[in-house]
Order: sequence, then C-alpha cells, then structure tokens
Amino acid sequence: GENVEQHPSTLSVQEGDSAVIKCTYSDSASNYFPWYKQELGKGPQLIIDIRSNVGEKKDQRIAVTLNKTAKHFSLHITETQPEDSAVYFCAASLWGKLQFGAGTQVVVTP
Amino acid sequence: KAGVTQTPRYLIKTRGQQVTLSCSPISGHRSVSWYQQTPGQGLQFLFEYFSETQRNKGNFPGRFSGRQFSNSRSEMNVSTLELGDSALYLCASSLVGQPLAKNIQYFGAGTRLSVL
Repeated sequence: GENVEQHPSTLSVQEGDSAVIKCTYSDSASNYFPWYKQELGKGPQLIIDIRSNVGEKKDQRIAVTLNKTAKHFSLHITETQPEDSAVYFCAASLWGKLQFGAGTQVVVTP
Repeated sequence: KAGVTQTPRYLIKTRGQQVTLSCSPISGHRSVSWYQQTPGQGLQFLFEYFSETQRNKGNFPGRFSGRQFSNSRSEMNVSTLELGDSALYLCASSLVGQPLAKNIQYFGAGTRLSVL
C-alpha cells in the first residue's frame, strides 16, 4: 500500500519568514495530494491540493509543488503569521483512500 | 451550507463496552470516510461508504464496523472496547463517491473517545 513520509515533525519560524514542509510517497499510482491544517480541537481543514498532472499550484501565501519522478511534494508558506501556527498534514490518495503523513507542528513566533 | 457534523463530540466508555458514533455529511455528499487519529499512529483510514456500501477498508480488526443510510448519514461502531481504542475519530465526506483523483474530502471536528 501507499506510505507517506513527512518532514520535519516540528518547525519553528519567525513571523514573516517562510516555512517549507516536505513529503514523499511510495506508490507512483497516487494521483491526488492534499494538504490539511489542523488546529487544536478541530478537524483537519483542506488548505490546498494538487493533482498528478500539475507541477505547481499557488493560493495567496500558500503554494504546493509536486515532483512525480522523485515522488515528493512540498508545501510552502510565505510571510508566515501567528495564525499559521497549527499541525499540517500531507496526504496521498490512491483510489479515494487518503494516506496521511505523520504531521508537522508549525509554530510561528511574533 | 452546513459542514460535516459528528456526534457526540466527547465520549467516555469502559473496556468491553461498545460505542456508536454518528456522522452527517455535507448536503449532497454521498461518500463518507472514517479515520482514527492517535498521537502514536497519526491519521489512519478505517473505511469508506458510498451509496450504503462499504467500498474501501483499512487495516483495523473486525470490532470496527460501520454503515451508511439512504440519506448518506453514517455510523461507526466499535465493539468490545480496548484501552487502545482511545482516539479522535474523524469523519470526512466527499461529493463524488468514485475512486477518482478529484474527490475532495471535508472533515468534521471529530468525536473524542476515551476508554477507561
């Protein structure tokens, strides 16, 4: 089955700096890669996603890149703000079943 | 439009008991998936239901089961609870219940189950 690895497990950044989270997946058949943000006491919230026929996607301060050959994808957050502090999960989808990475705790310090 | 609703939000049970969790998907969504979230194992897929049929299943013992009703609402049942079943159980719904990449899953806030 699919296996997703996510790094780093924790990330501390100064407000205004950029944050990058990286994920690798094992099954080349996976074709959908969402990123979720989870705040304390809440369920995961979809923040951006990318499909296997696209290499990069951007939405305001958030961007995701996908390298199908290397089987890795990354989340980039620019101009970080305190409200970006949360746990971020990457996932890879194979036949509609999401396989999640272990998560990255992002802390943005003012 | 209302989001995914899970009830109850919190539940305390003792070992050996059974529990039923409920999930109401976003209106119009026909696929419902269940996930277990624990600090040690992270987010793990339990099963997916579409049109009242289980379509996908994760690697969980038979004590974990579910069902979906004709209005797409879903329930998850855990029998003979063990301490290790303590977790946040999350439900996600998606618009099109087909194994296609374009399915986007929207999550509820989860049910926090504590087994004593």
